[in-house]
Amino acid sequence: EVQLVESGGGLVQPGGSLRLSCTASGFTLGGRWMSWVRQAPGKGLEWVANIRQDGGEKHYVDSVKGRFTISRDNAENSLYLQMNSLRVEDTAVYFCARYDGSHRPFDYWGQGTLVTVSS
Amino acid sequence: DIQMTQSPSTLSASVGDRVTITCRASQSISYWLAWFQQKPGKAPKLLLYKASSLESGVPSRFSGSGSGTEFTLTISSLQPDDFATYFCHNYDSYPITFGGGTKVDIK
Repeated sequence: EVQLVESGGGLVQPGGSLRLSCTASGFTLGGRWMSWVRQAPGKGLEWVANIRQDGGEKHYVDSVKGRFTISRDNAENSLYLQMNSLRVEDTAVYFCARYDGSHRPFDYWGQGTLVTVSS
Repeated sequence: DIQMTQSPSTLSASVGDRVTITCRASQSISYWLAWFQQKPGKAPKLLLYKASSLESGVPSRFSGSGSGTEFTLTISSLQPDDFATYFCHNYDSYPITFGGGTKVDIK
């Protein structure tokens, strides 16, 4: 059974940093593109970042470029999102998801981890 | 960036109703369109991909159509489990984007 479990969310002050983790099981992480998608409270879905199987290609939404970094450790079956210079508007539930842009996008999701940016 | 516009934003319906949700892209995305269902406090669930392909395990009352810039999600006979929010998703090119969502609630 495919499972994705996020961790690392919490309360952080504006300008602070946080690192989210996503642990995968039930499939070979190294064989898949992976993504982070976020959802602000009561709002819609916003794609944040994608990373290729080998980590050699990454894409970001403009609003996080230069502040967030997606990375992965296939040997540890883990995906990460390093978030720096956090802003109040980054407050959201962050989901990791498996991605296939040529077929079935976001076919599996984690349960999400809440990041709250507030002073 | 390609903008995805969903309508309506809210839809009130009864069990057994036929429901149609529309998603329009600001430019052609061919068939690179997916639909998700989300219930409160839960992760989204993939329903359809490539505009009209039904995800494994999703009931056949869900169907999708369209190509280019206009797409529809149809629920042929609304069931109690279908009251939720639905999002369309463009995965034609980066930045990949979502529609604003359609909440289907009980009439």
